[in-house]
Amino acid sequence: DTGVSQDPRHKITKRGQNVTFRCDPISEHNRLYWYRQTLGQGPEFLTYFQNEAQLEKSRLLSDRFSAERPKGSFSTLEIQRTEQGDSAMYLCASSLEAGGDTEAFFGQGTRLTVV
Amino acid sequence: AQSVAQPEDQVNVAEGNPLTVKCTYSVSGNPYLFWYVQYPNRGLQFLLKYITGDNLVKGSYGFEAEFNKSQTSFHLKKPSALVSDSALYFCAVRDNTGGFKTIFGAGTRLFVKA
Repeated sequence: DTGVSQDPRHKITKRGQNVTFRCDPISEHNRLYWYRQTLGQGPEFLTYFQNEAQLEKSRLLSDRFSAERPKGSFSTLEIQRTEQGDSAMYLCASSLEAGGDTEAFFGQGTRLTVV
Repeated sequence: AQSVAQPEDQVNVAEGNPLTVKCTYSVSGNPYLFWYVQYPNRGLQFLLKYITGDNLVKGSYGFEAEFNKSQTSFHLKKPSALVSDSALYFCAVRDNTGGFKTIFGAGTRLFVKA
């Protein structure tokens, strides 16, 4: 396991279509995060899982967005009825939190373009 | 609420000169502080972190950062810059009171000229 992997790397979709992204974290990591990054900005927190439980969702995550981590391993982020404002890089990260704090390791991201 | 400020959009430095990328933060409890670097078309790579202990933290690629509690700062430094250090640098903070959300600054683009 060489790191966090995200699929696809790039996605172009028409406005109004649904898209789903997948993230495979580092295998022993129990925490998984989704962030969104737009050009010229830092990553913005979207949501977080500890194992399979989704423990927080940002107000940025409208009801068109849903994330799952069904077995505490991989995660999916779905965007329904995409809008042009959803165009961004979607980053996944994972960390192992066991009795202390550790840094998050990021995947290379999925770049979404809504046309 | 947590926040991070990176006051410089861009830092220019000549190769071989020391570099500093500034970061200030605000959290309600004691902070966990991080620096990440992002190269074009790549994900964020972890450089270093401060959790507790020594105020001077050493990280990857010769980078270090100094935690200053009174000034609520966590500036990234390197004694001698390389052209290959040119990238986008992000400071991040996490509240250690039980929260898990890491907040990132807007980033500082570092240009190192040969």
